[in-house]
Amino acid sequence: DVKVTQSSRYLVKRTGEKVFLECVQDMDHENMFWYRQDPGLGLRLIYFSYDVKMKEKGDIPEGYSVSREKKERFSLILESASTNQTSMYLCASKRQREGAEQYFGPGTRLTVT
Amino acid sequence: GQSLEQPSEVTAVEGAIVQINCTYQTSGFYGLSWYQHHDGGAPTFLSYNALDGLEETGRFSSFLSRSDSYGYLLLQELQMKDSASYFCAVRDRDGQNFVFGPGTRLSVLP
Repeated sequence: DVKVTQSSRYLVKRTGEKVFLECVQDMDHENMFWYRQDPGLGLRLIYFSYDVKMKEKGDIPEGYSVSREKKERFSLILESASTNQTSMYLCASKRQREGAEQYFGPGTRLTVT
Repeated sequence: GQSLEQPSEVTAVEGAIVQINCTYQTSGFYGLSWYQHHDGGAPTFLSYNALDGLEETGRFSSFLSRSDSYGYLLLQELQMKDSASYFCAVRDRDGQNFVFGPGTRLSVLP
């Protein structure tokens, strides 16, 4: 059974803290994605990765960075968390050449106070 | 810019048929996907249309008209468990990236 897991379901951090969100997939997928989901805005792409050590900016990369040292793991980093980064963060993975189906994790609800 | 539009909310009764529309304006287009998202769960893939026409998968069907930059998801024989948010997404940028719509919240009433 395909699985994408995220390190935390809920996270509360203070303004200025460094935050790490981890995502792991067990499907040997090449592509991995980080989105944030906000009411009325849908899912917006922050960063994606085609392969290990490869990364590309999505639509809203400001304030975020990513790391992909192993194929199965894609980390999202908030260098200095701010209140406007309070959101639901969703990770997804996809096989590079096959169709359009992305497999999503359950999400991390991050609150920055 | 890139944008997708969907109705924000739709309400229907059990057993009914509902259609959720999606219009898009994107820099590239490889196909239109639909995802279902229950609160607290992971979004799950429903369908993908790369070519014009209707794709049917059980109670769900999806339609695409590339000339009109328009698609829809059709849900038949609605069940309470279909209450969820539904997102359309365009596959663009060499087919490796996806742009999502704002989502439509479907409420199925008894």
